[in-house]
Amino acid sequence: QVQLQESGPGLVKPSETLSLTCTVSGGSISSSTYYWGWIRQPPGKGLEWIGSISYSGITYYNPSLKSRVTISVDTSKNQFSLKLSSVTAADTAVYYCARHDMTTEDLDYWGQGTLVTVSS
Amino acid sequence: QSALTQPPSASGSPGQSVTISCTGTSSDVGGYNYVSWYQQHPGKAPKVMIYEVSKRPSGVPDRFSGSKSGNTASLTVSGLQAEDEADYYCSSYAGSNNFVFGTGTKVTVL
Repeated sequence: QVQLQESGPGLVKPSETLSLTCTVSGGSISSSTYYWGWIRQPPGKGLEWIGSISYSGITYYNPSLKSRVTISVDTSKNQFSLKLSSVTAADTAVYYCARHDMTTEDLDYWGQGTLVTVSS
Repeated sequence: QSALTQPPSASGSPGQSVTISCTGTSSDVGGYNYVSWYQQHPGKAPKVMIYEVSKRPSGVPDRFSGSKSGNTASLTVSGLQAEDEADYYCSSYAGSNNFVFGTGTKVTVL
């Protein structure tokens, strides 16, 4: 059973860079069938896809966030990471990592989510 | 890309059926058979209930069904149960390696 777990600071100052890591267990991140994605959900609001990455480092980003987002992968640690630069209060959200099945275009395994608050 | 449009709320009594719509465009919902539906209980991560418009992952009750007509996809929950009370989100592949979610629908079991 694949499990994903987000980790990183819960509080980030405005204008700084948000950094999160997702650790995958119960399966290898090195599969051509799957990408690995980040999704966020502001408090009381809906889901927003941030982007996804393959094990080889091919990335796809939400056009509305592309200029501020970097997703990377470390296959040796079975982890992938998110960096979001120049954050504002509008970036306060629960951030989820998930497995993105590229053959069916669905997100079939999710982490529990981690709340990141942007505040000084 | 814009979020797919869902009604904010839907409701039904136990045992009844409820249908949620998800309206996009020919560039997302209408252009691909890659519509998924997610159930999210308060404080929990979303769970995929339907993928590729109408397919159910293993373990999802057959009370959940999906369909699509043109630019609108639908999720129907038949035989409503108390545990079906949750938020539901649709998603669609949107071409050019983009992915978009719906605005979300809160389902209440009366």
